[in-house]
Amino acid sequence: LAKTTQPISMDSYEGQEVNITCSHNNIATNDYITWYQQFPSQGPRFIIQGYKTKVTNEVASLFIPADRKSSTLSLPRVSLSDTAVYYCLVGGDQTGANNLFFGTGTRLTVIP
Amino acid sequence: GAVVSQHPSRVICKSGTSVKIECRSLDFQATTMFWYRQFPKQSLMLMATSNEGSKATYEQGVEKDKFLINHASLTLSTLTVTSAHPEDSSFYICSARPRLAGGWGDTQYFGPGTRLTVL
Repeated sequence: LAKTTQPISMDSYEGQEVNITCSHNNIATNDYITWYQQFPSQGPRFIIQGYKTKVTNEVASLFIPADRKSSTLSLPRVSLSDTAVYYCLVGGDQTGANNLFFGTGTRLTVIP
Repeated sequence: GAVVSQHPSRVICKSGTSVKIECRSLDFQATTMFWYRQFPKQSLMLMATSNEGSKATYEQGVEKDKFLINHASLTLSTLTVTSAHPEDSSFYICSARPRLAGGWGDTQYFGPGTRLTVL
């Protein structure tokens, strides 16, 4: 299993850029990296997914170094509504199961 | 797109009764659906993997006779908590993996969750 390690919590002021790093030293060749956001009493929401280098969408960027042993989720100019728990999952194709196991996640608190 | 619904969103029941939770993929077909349980302030724990037309695969420590899973179609999976007890009170979340994963990777889409309270 490609276990993931993230900081338990982070605080940030509104308007700042937040970078959350996830370590996944045992990532396999076919594994992708997926990040989810979860608010209290809600199901996780897909944020972004990547395999290597950089991926950007309308809400976040994902940076993956060449060795793929870590990844960084970047949230530009966070607002209070970004306060949530963020999970990174690492997993493969339809036959893979690694991405089904959630780590501790990172609890982000945005401060006014 | 990629919307997953759950019903009910909240249920309160008496100890000893059974509760059924439905998980539906609304705009895609899902060959595989997953059921998770989440206790307060904790991460999601995978309970079982549900494949359409076949028996579910349960994670170690999850009682298959207590948590009955049925995946009758490509858009519906149900979780029945039988003879529920207060320790079964939790937040139950399902997810679905599209039959044809568009793009690349292996993305799961999650339902909104069901809060079960057993008195």
